Amino acid sequence: KQEVTQIPAALSVPEGENLVLNCSFTDSAIYNLQWFRQDPGKGLTSLLLIQSSQREQTSGRLNASLDKSSGRSTLYIAASQPGDSATYLCAVGPPQGGSEKLVFGKGTKLTVNP
Amino acid sequence: NAGVMQNPRHLVRRRGQEARLRCSPMKGHSHVYWYRQLPEEGLKFMVYLQKENIIDESGMPKERFSAEFPKEGPSILRIQQVVRGDSAAYFCASSRGQTMNTEAFFGQGTRLTVV
Repeated sequence: KQEVTQIPAALSVPEGENLVLNCSFTDSAIYNLQWFRQDPGKGLTSLLLIQSSQREQTSGRLNASLDKSSGRSTLYIAASQPGDSATYLCAVGPPQGGSEKLVFGKGTKLTVNP
Repeated sequence: NAGVMQNPRHLVRRRGQEARLRCSPMKGHSHVYWYRQLPEEGLKFMVYLQKENIIDESGMPKERFSAEFPKEGPSILRIQQVVRGDSAAYFCASSRGQTMNTEAFFGQGTRLTVV
């Protein structure tokens, strides 16, 4: 059974700092991994999708890496801004031959202080 | 291209009533997924549907919950005889193809409160 863990559960940083969010998963036989952002009381916004054949993906100040063999992914946020404050969720795509469901971590709640 | 549309955004039901949650996928998407987010918990998969077919309902509670995605119209998640423990945020996602190959996009969610 796939389990996804995100560390830390909460993180508070001053504006301008570079930071790393961590995600680990127990079953390395995955097809993809997706990072989402969730604002309080809102839905999920897709940030980056990494296919299992890829090592990383970049979008603006965000960079996500994937090490399938070790069951780890990181989301790097450069030059953080108060608007980055949100909960960041990591979701692992279905294992080969498995169902279509995404398995989510509980998220890292990020606060960027002005 | 509008995103995944869910309605209502907020729903209050008394214990024993029925709750009907609607989800219209993004244009061109034929795969719909429902997830539930309990307070202080991560999102948990409930059901995966394609038009007129339930593909995987392994995350659905055995009783009172049902889902459909008809040929015409939105996908519906139906909860009969709601109880306090059903209070949660219910999210719908859609994708163009199977999630193993494509990106999933989520709606804003329906927040169900059972009083």
